[in-house]
Amino acid sequence: AQSVTQLDSHVSVSEGTPVLLRCNYSSSYSPSLFWYVQHPNKGLQLLLKYTSAATLVKGINGFEAEFKKSETSFHLTKPSAHMSDAAEYFCVVSGETGANNLFFGTGTRLTVIP
Amino acid sequence: EPEVTQTPSHQVTQMGQEVILRCVPISNHLYFYWYRQILGQKVEFLVSFYNNEISEKSEIFDDQFSVERPDGSNFTLKIRSTKLEDSAMYFCASSDAADRLAGELEQYFGPGTRLTVT
Repeated sequence: AQSVTQLDSHVSVSEGTPVLLRCNYSSSYSPSLFWYVQHPNKGLQLLLKYTSAATLVKGINGFEAEFKKSETSFHLTKPSAHMSDAAEYFCVVSGETGANNLFFGTGTRLTVIP
Repeated sequence: EPEVTQTPSHQVTQMGQEVILRCVPISNHLYFYWYRQILGQKVEFLVSFYNNEISEKSEIFDDQFSVERPDGSNFTLKIRSTKLEDSAMYFCASSDAADRLAGELEQYFGPGTRLTVT
């Protein structure tokens, strides 16, 4: 069975400081992993994805994530937070190979302090 | 940039009433999905749809739910007799057939419809 655990429900950082949003996954196969972001009143937007290619994945808006199989982690990072990064972030794992569904974590709300 | 749209943004209905949530997927996409998020809980998969039929559904998607692609652009989720516990944010998503064949599983999400059952 697949599952995702986002270790922090809320993260608060100062503008210009690094961001770390943690995600651990559980899967019985080699999953695809995603980070989605949701700004208020907006849809879920894909930040980046890992699909068994390079383990360090670069996404939009300066975000990146590293797939670590030994730690079953896929943490999201950004070197310097911007006010516009304030949003809800979801770590997501794919269903079994060929399956259609995605499994979401509970989300982490990122607050950026000016 | 093309995007998935959903209407209405907020729907209030009385318990026992039928409700239809509407989605317009990205125009060249062939796979469609519904998810829901009850307040304070995870986003949960409901159903996927391809080639005019359901390809996968979760335990949540019982006989009270149905999906339809009534024309070439809309994708709808119907709840026949709403219950209080159906109150949630409902997200529609779509994906590209070419992406799926390549093993890419990216789904493009709409902004959601907030359903409130009173």
